[in-house]
Amino acid sequence: TQLLEQSPQFLSIQEGENLTVYCNSSSVFSSLQWYRQEPGEGPVLLVTVVTGGEVKKLKRLTFQFGDARKDSSLHITAAQPGDTGLYLCHTGNQFYFGTGTSLTVIP
Amino acid sequence: NAGVMQNPRHLVRRRGQEARLRCSPMKGHSHVYWYRQLPEEGLKFMVYLQKENIIDESGMPKERFSAEFPKEGPSILRIQQVVRGDSAAYFCASSPTGQNSPLHFGNGTRLTVT
Repeated sequence: TQLLEQSPQFLSIQEGENLTVYCNSSSVFSSLQWYRQEPGEGPVLLVTVVTGGEVKKLKRLTFQFGDARKDSSLHITAAQPGDTGLYLCHTGNQFYFGTGTSLTVIP
Repeated sequence: NAGVMQNPRHLVRRRGQEARLRCSPMKGHSHVYWYRQLPEEGLKFMVYLQKENIIDESGMPKERFSAEFPKEGPSILRIQQVVRGDSAAYFCASSPTGQNSPLHFGNGTRLTVT
């Protein structure tokens, strides 16, 4: 059973563009985490969101947890080639990862 | 660097052989998780262990796969009688506490079955 659906699955954009990645579920979660994975490496934690409606910023990345704690979004402003990677959302309390969004930023 | 250590990084096995994947968690972490990843896909949960105990193995195939986390030493993911479909990257993560705590990942073991 896939609890977390991410969209889009693949995204290729030019450097400097903005983008939003979505993580959706029909289940309510006590917390949700976002990770980024680069080729050949393990995922690295970016942020944890806990409260419904919560917004967290990490430099050019903005994370939001839905009011009902069923969904989340990741917005990147002025994307750079260093943002290239696989972005994964994760349920903090059920071990499952989302389907992933593979982002490529073209210089 | 006391991060999560996985070895070997690459493992090649012929069909029917056994594969043993090792994971040493971060210092002070007693919770270990194993995930499997196919190319261009996300991570699939396999098993969650705490020292000497399997807490959740709902993602483990019923046959040929087993995992342990002994009191001393690394966690081991064991795959018996490997088949080509077992070829994947296997990632281990650890955390200091259980659910809701951030996961710290190793760089994975890439298993190739020929």
